[in-house]
Amino acid sequence: GDSVTQMEGPVTLSEEAFLTINCTYTATGYPSLFWYVQYPGEGLQLLLKATKADDKGSNKGFEATYRKETTSFHLEKGSVQVSDSAVYFCALSRWGGSYIPTFGRGTSLIVHP
Amino acid sequence: NAGVTQTPKFQVLKTGQSMTLQCAQDMNHEYMSWYRQDPGMGLRLIHYSVGAGITDQGEVPNGYNVSRSTTEDFPLRLLSAAPSQTSVYFCASSYSLLAENTGELFFGEGSRLTVL
Repeated sequence: GDSVTQMEGPVTLSEEAFLTINCTYTATGYPSLFWYVQYPGEGLQLLLKATKADDKGSNKGFEATYRKETTSFHLEKGSVQVSDSAVYFCALSRWGGSYIPTFGRGTSLIVHP
Repeated sequence: NAGVTQTPKFQVLKTGQSMTLQCAQDMNHEYMSWYRQDPGMGLRLIHYSVGAGITDQGEVPNGYNVSRSTTEDFPLRLLSAAPSQTSVYFCASSYSLLAENTGELFFGEGSRLTVL
């Protein structure tokens, strides 16, 4: 079945550091890929998405590129801020299968001033 | 623009009590679902619905019931609460499961339930 694996956290960085959160997936066909962010005490919200191979999703300085050859969708940001502290979830959704979104377990990011 | 609305935000129950978590969306979404979030476990799907009158079980359905009588509402019922159901519950919806939908989910703000 479909699965999403993302690096375990917490990831702890200083402000203005470079961020990478790894995400790899297993799915047949051509899934859509997502990063969701959950700020403390809130629900998840979509951060960015990519619907086909080589697409780059971007939002709020975050980027992720859909790499079909490596089945990856790593999240990056060049300079993190304290306000980026949150839990980040990688997810996929695949039409033709169950189509129910599959989530990774989440990676906590803590950014210190 | 309300989006997905969950009530209540906080609830404390005693073991054996029953309650209903409410979820409503105003986006005419066909797909609605309930997740629970526990430390170290990520999100786990409880039940989902692909349209009014249609529901199905997810990964952890035991102890929970759902119904979908309207497109807008998808309540989650705990018939006899247990301490293992202490969790944060999220309702999420999506336009549909058709090919043209990328599958993006819209989440409510969550309901924190404690069972003593």
